[in-house]
Amino acid sequence: EAQVTQNPRYLITVTGKKLTVTCSQNMNHEYMSWYRQDPGLGLRQIYYSMNVEVTDKGDVPEGYKVSRKEKRNFPLILESPSPNQTSLYFCASSLLGTARGRETQYFGPGTRLLVL
Amino acid sequence: AQSVAQPEDQVNVAEGNPLTVKCTYSVSGNPYLFWYVQYPNRGLQFLLKYITGDNLVKGSYGFEAEFNKSQTSFHLKKPSALVSDSALYFCAVRAHGGSQGNLIFGKGTKLSVKP
Repeated sequence: EAQVTQNPRYLITVTGKKLTVTCSQNMNHEYMSWYRQDPGLGLRQIYYSMNVEVTDKGDVPEGYKVSRKEKRNFPLILESPSPNQTSLYFCASSLLGTARGRETQYFGPGTRLLVL
Repeated sequence: AQSVAQPEDQVNVAEGNPLTVKCTYSVSGNPYLFWYVQYPNRGLQFLLKYITGDNLVKGSYGFEAEFNKSQTSFHLKKPSALVSDSALYFCAVRAHGGSQGNLIFGKGTKLSVKP
């Protein structure tokens, strides 16, 4: 089954304790992205990647890191989490290019993070 | 700069009535436009998209959307709402020639369908 998976689904942590949220897709997509969803703010992009070893900042990258060592994986790293990073996080992936059928993003189920 | 506006935080509809969820956009050039739905405790699911061609786009679960270039709108519609349509709906856009892959999302509209 074609899908984007995220782990963990739920996480409670404390300020300053490094954590990693994993994201994996099995669709051979070039493009992957991380978003955070907060009430009243919709989805805001944190980082994205156009291909292996190619990453770039989105709208709200502060406090986050990513890596893209393999095409299928795109982990989100919080080196020193703070309470303002409490949020619902989504990973997404898509093909690239202008042909019909590309560009549609497929989303993971989300990771709900609480930083105390 | 690209942007998407969903002017209504919430839309309330009675089951069986038609529904409309509004979306307007601002991009330089021609847009790619998308609608996604988020059910409670779930990720976003793709509903439909407009790339080129027919202005009326049909998607999943009986939804459709009409691209109106002059009004820069892409409203989501359904002729007869179901209680199970209750969810959070997001409109998204990117411009042809813009950074490939990146979508700009609206803030979302909560649709509530009552029996």
